[in-house]
Amino acid sequence: DSGVTQTPKHLITATGQRVTLRCSPRSGDLSVYWYQQSLDQGLQFLIQYYNGEERAKGNILERFSAQQFPDLHSELNLSSLELGDSALYFCASSVGRSIAQETQYFGPGTRLLVL
Amino acid sequence: AQSVAQPEDQVNVAEGNPLTVKCTYSVSGNPYLFWYVQYPNRGLQFLLKYITGDNLVKGSYGFEAEFNKSQTSFHLKKPSALVSDSALYFCAVRPPGGAGNMLTFGGGTRLMVKP
Repeated sequence: DSGVTQTPKHLITATGQRVTLRCSPRSGDLSVYWYQQSLDQGLQFLIQYYNGEERAKGNILERFSAQQFPDLHSELNLSSLELGDSALYFCASSVGRSIAQETQYFGPGTRLLVL
Repeated sequence: AQSVAQPEDQVNVAEGNPLTVKCTYSVSGNPYLFWYVQYPNRGLQFLLKYITGDNLVKGSYGFEAEFNKSQTSFHLKKPSALVSDSALYFCAVRPPGGAGNMLTFGGGTRLMVKP
């Protein structure tokens, strides 16, 4: 158990809908990362937050947004969902003090199925 | 832009035999390299990382990896495979410098250890 928690574990929804994925980092970690794992794209970095502020952005669609709250938990919002958004979404966290060398610890993921 | 290649989709090994999972990278400067393992329906678990120093890095569960700068490789190894090592293995790179701490992952290699 990495100490990173994600809810829900599974999510089934319809095209055009909006969902929110939640992540709680390990105790003491200031950075939160979101990754998407799909069969065709593999594991892709979406976005990083550090202590409430956006730090880096990857291949995140404009329909997707994220935020990190004062208690350091993070939410990933996916809107106008399409079939191709079906994937496993991982959250990871790291301490955030020594950025380059840090290990990211991953949560168990949220499996999203868009029908 | 940085990239990571895992040339083998699957590696088959008999239990007790040594195993190697290959990884090559392309990045400017000195990279930070990571190996993660993913068991079915689980998140990614950190195995080991190379930051600097000794080219042979030892990690969890008896795994080790050798950094070879001239060949731009970071192959994962284990002297004696266990059936329980069967899983999906990911190599990742974090280039030096720049904002953020995103990881770029390879496509993954499925390791099958047969009794």
